[in-house]
Amino acid sequence: DTAVSQTPKYLVTQMGNDKSIKCEQNLGHDTMYWYKQDSKKFLKIMFSYNNKELIINETVPNRFSPKSPDKAHLNLHINSLELGDSAVYFCASSQDPRTRWGSSYNEQFFGPGTRLTVL
Amino acid sequence: GDSVTQMEGPVTLSEEAFLTINCTYTATGYPSLFWYVQYPGEGLQLLLKATKADDKGSNKGFEATYRKETTSFHLEKGSVQVSDSAVYFCALSPINAGGTSYGKLTFGQGTILTVHP
Repeated sequence: DTAVSQTPKYLVTQMGNDKSIKCEQNLGHDTMYWYKQDSKKFLKIMFSYNNKELIINETVPNRFSPKSPDKAHLNLHINSLELGDSAVYFCASSQDPRTRWGSSYNEQFFGPGTRLTVL
Repeated sequence: GDSVTQMEGPVTLSEEAFLTINCTYTATGYPSLFWYVQYPGEGLQLLLKATKADDKGSNKGFEATYRKETTSFHLEKGSVQVSDSAVYFCALSPINAGGTSYGKLTFGQGTILTVHP
């Protein structure tokens, strides 16, 4: 009964390829996020979706395109992979942070991460 | 912009030692503050949180107090165990005047803690 799951756990690919990472949550949350963790463990938010609507879009190359088919899923598609894309990508979910309830109890639940290696 | 600064790591302690990991922040308004923990090979888990000045968050023997006057949220534990070995992240979520946010967590750089028996 995993709360936030990601597939695959490891992804090794060549430069220039296109790849996707999938994320699913069964917590009933309506907000989902993608974070990137670099080799020095630094974590930075990339995107956030609420009920399939984009609400946070940080300065991320447009080779990265999140897709939310429904509020329980947020997939990350990456085109033309580059060496610098190598990182661990974490998906997370929470209650809607834009509500008073969400902001006071803004616990984000994280998936186990996907380690992407671009060769 | 908002930022979080944690003490440089890694931190190495013997079991039962006292732990402090410093965290200071820069933000406008009244952010919520969090400590997350990442055990080896896993995702992040919320350890504790505080949503207003002078609040003390606590969990599993860890504590942190929201100090607005010093813009700090230092993590402490009186007696660490080997099982506490992990990476600890301080984070903030800005709260606007209406008391809501967009859920954007800004993280510190993480502090690696290793506890030896």
